[in-house]
Amino acid sequence: QKEVEQDPGPLSVPEGAIVSLNCTYSNSAFQYFMWYRQYSRKGPELLMYTYSSGNKEDGRFTAQVDKSSKYISLFIRDSQPSDSATYLCAMSGGRNYIPTFGRGTSLIVHP
Amino acid sequence: SAVISQKPSRDICQRGTSLTIQCQVDSQVTMMFWYRQQPGQSLTLIATANQGSEATYESGFVIDKFPISRPNLTFSTLTVSNMSPEDSSIYLCSVGQVHNEQFFGPGTRLTVL
Repeated sequence: QKEVEQDPGPLSVPEGAIVSLNCTYSNSAFQYFMWYRQYSRKGPELLMYTYSSGNKEDGRFTAQVDKSSKYISLFIRDSQPSDSATYLCAMSGGRNYIPTFGRGTSLIVHP
Repeated sequence: SAVISQKPSRDICQRGTSLTIQCQVDSQVTMMFWYRQQPGQSLTLIATANQGSEATYESGFVIDKFPISRPNLTFSTLTVSNMSPEDSSIYLCSVGQVHNEQFFGPGTRLTVL
């Protein structure tokens, strides 16, 4: 079992839809959780960062962490074609201070 | 966040040759990292570039194949040596910030024929 599991997709949704992207993990020491967005032929950019459990909201984006279930989510409201990208989850904690990344989920928002 | 640039942005190389990738940061940073991103795969950490000492390599990566330099707190290079088609990938440098967030350069897309 990989430390971080993420469905690669692609996930295709119509413009305006609410998108839910998810990752599961196995290492209970993880306490820092990140979401990165990567456009084609670009490097990943940090989108959201959360510590421990709970929710964090930034504009149309909400990151949610459920440590009891070892499950994290990224919600995108009112999705736009410009949100089309690959979204990577990453997490770290304990002795592992360097983030472990998921494979990324490819999101396509069509007009 | 730091602004990170990489050179070259892409290259096509012949088998058996070597390529050196440069990473420049606009501010001094303590931690710099080199990653590989193969199609459909997660980011794989190659090594941590340490200023003033040898790089720290992850399992499966060795200095002879991926020598790294870190002459100061704003610059690092990664060399991919004796390349084979299996080395075709995107190579990314990143800098670490507090709380383990990382910021990435635009990447170098390498194709080995």
